[in-house]
Amino acid sequence: DGGITQSPKYLFRKEGQNVTLSCEQNLNHDAMYWYRQDPGQGLRLIYYSQIVNDFQKGDIAEGYSVSREKKESFPLTVTSAQKNPTAFYLCASSISLGRAWGYTFGSGTRLTVV
Amino acid sequence: GESVGLHLPTLSVQEGDNSIINCAYSNSASDYFIWYKQESGKGPQFIIDIRSNMDKRQGQRVTVLLNKTVKHLSLQIAATQPGDSAVYFCAETSYDKVIFGPGTSLSVIP
Repeated sequence: DGGITQSPKYLFRKEGQNVTLSCEQNLNHDAMYWYRQDPGQGLRLIYYSQIVNDFQKGDIAEGYSVSREKKESFPLTVTSAQKNPTAFYLCASSISLGRAWGYTFGSGTRLTVV
Repeated sequence: GESVGLHLPTLSVQEGDNSIINCAYSNSASDYFIWYKQESGKGPQFIIDIRSNMDKRQGQRVTVLLNKTVKHLSLQIAATQPGDSAVYFCAETSYDKVIFGPGTSLSVIP
């Protein structure tokens, strides 16, 4: 079945530690996105990528980094510079940029600072 | 430490009743709107969409209404079932930008 796989489902981070969230899709989508979801707030865009080897900052990119070395993969690293990383992180993909009707979301990773 | 988040609006309905979930959007230039359903601990799933040149669109047990005059979107769920319990949020798009609303938590009382 085609879809997006995020891993791990739960992740715990110690203070000062970098952690990487995985996102893999087999939908042959060009565009991929990372969103952060906090209670009572809409999804906020962290980074997005339109094609391989290209990515752009979203609205809340500070403290995060990404790479897009393969079409299928768009990992997100939460660095120690992100002071409030506890949140639910969602990866999404679409055929092309901004086509929200074609968004497929992963199941999310819940990150907690311990 | 953790941020203190806002509380989601909550709608409680009796099983079998109709549900109406509302969304106010911000950009009058938005030309496409989507409703998503998100169950606890899962990613959002597409429910129904509507283009800005339409006022109403119906799907299976769901209807979306668009009022561009007041920038308001609503999702109506007919004969609400326990499996409909989830957070519902809207999204608006213009050009290549997508803005997601905060959502409403729907709780179905058996």
